[in-house]
Amino acid sequence: TQLLEQSPQFLSIQEGENLTVYCNSSSVFSSLQWYRQEPGEGPVLLVTVVTGGEVKKLKRLTFQFGDARKDSSLHITAAQPGDTGLYLCAGVPGNQFYFGTGTSLTVIP
Amino acid sequence: DAGVIQSPRHEVTEMGQEVTLRCKPISGHDYLFWYRQTMMRGLELLIYFNNNVPIDDSGMPEDRFSAKMPNASFSTLKIQPSEPRDSAVYFCASSLQRGGQETQYFGPGTRLLVL
Repeated sequence: TQLLEQSPQFLSIQEGENLTVYCNSSSVFSSLQWYRQEPGEGPVLLVTVVTGGEVKKLKRLTFQFGDARKDSSLHITAAQPGDTGLYLCAGVPGNQFYFGTGTSLTVIP
Repeated sequence: DAGVIQSPRHEVTEMGQEVTLRCKPISGHDYLFWYRQTMMRGLELLIYFNNNVPIDDSGMPEDRFSAKMPNASFSTLKIQPSEPRDSAVYFCASSLQRGGQETQYFGPGTRLLVL
């Protein structure tokens, strides 16, 4: 059983479409992070959300932390091929750092 | 800064052989992490160090795995003997502090294939 479940696991969309990926847990997190991993590279931090209900925007990416701090979502507007990659949520529910199961996104030109 | 450096980038070995993966963290970072990534299990934390001292190795799968950090600029992850199920991408990461709000900087990974 994974502490952080992400959905969908795989997503293939056309350039210009919008999408949302989800990160869910039964545990409460003091903060959650989102990383993006491009093929052949290590994950790179996109954002950290700290407060329940917090919304952060990074250009076309919008991140939201659930009110109960058990879940988060990532919305991408007008996806571009450069958004292709593996999106990972991560957090520390106690004393251990966990990564989510990941969402593999492919944006087709 | 060059970022986190890992070597080798690719390793192919035969079952039973010893494998040593190397990592140079970002200068000044006090924390170093070793992760393993597979399709089945995702990204798993194996062990992390604080100021060269191993703090939590509960993620190390078994005694065949060992990690050392002899100084602030170098760490190794060793598998002896290696098995086909050890095939994965192994990442090293470093950070200034440890916690859910700290940025972990990852290396490019070592792709290990055990035949």
